[in-house]
Amino acid sequence: QSVLTQPPSVSAAPGQKVTISCSGSSSNIGNNYVSWYQQLPGTAPKLLIYDNNKRPSGIPDRFSGSKSGTSATLGITGLQTGDEADYYCGTWDSSLSALVFGGGTKLTVL
Amino acid sequence: QVQLQESGPGLVKPSETLSLTCTVSGGSISSYYWSWIRQPPGKGLEWIGYIYYSGSTNYNPSLKSRVTISVDTSKNQFSLKLSSVTAADTAVYYCARARLGYYGSGSTYYYYMDVWGKGTTVTVSS
Repeated sequence: QSVLTQPPSVSAAPGQKVTISCSGSSSNIGNNYVSWYQQLPGTAPKLLIYDNNKRPSGIPDRFSGSKSGTSATLGITGLQTGDEADYYCGTWDSSLSALVFGGGTKLTVL
Repeated sequence: QVQLQESGPGLVKPSETLSLTCTVSGGSISSYYWSWIRQPPGKGLEWIGYIYYSGSTNYNPSLKSRVTISVDTSKNQFSLKLSSVTAADTAVYYCARARLGYYGSGSTYYYYMDVWGKGTTVTVSS
């Protein structure tokens, strides 16, 4: 059971938009920054979003992040088949004194 | 461009110690934090811990009694040791460069991994 809650799967058609939610509590998302990672099949995770809504160099602006209260959201617009991957949210949990992740969301581009 | 490469035995016997090394190339290990993360087969990510180049560490409380992370700045490497392993420790182990701390005098903590190794599979089996 993960500390952060993500939907197991989401799907959308190419060109469409999808959002992935990440729900936590005041000890984690509510008071710390959230990051998002993309894990393509058989590869290592890759940083997509950090500090709730910042994109590292090289990440297209089709990817966006937001946070409100104890929840965070990853948005992806203009979906491409190459976006099919598992997506994870992560943040520091001040009560656990640990970095915690969501269980991951599998994105299918139909 | 900084690159990370994990190395170590792919098979470890139950009750023994898992030992992995992460070699940093294309940049210095100094002035950064470095993390270990693992992913059991078909499951999500689990944070193991981090080390600062100076040697200070922080471990996942659930693994703390069995984990040691160390750094060798002369070799640009950091290492993971996990003792008394069981089948539950079978996973892909990733090393990563971490950015963490507080901005200015704020109380909001940031922690993210911006460079990852490709990962190495460790199986615990007799």
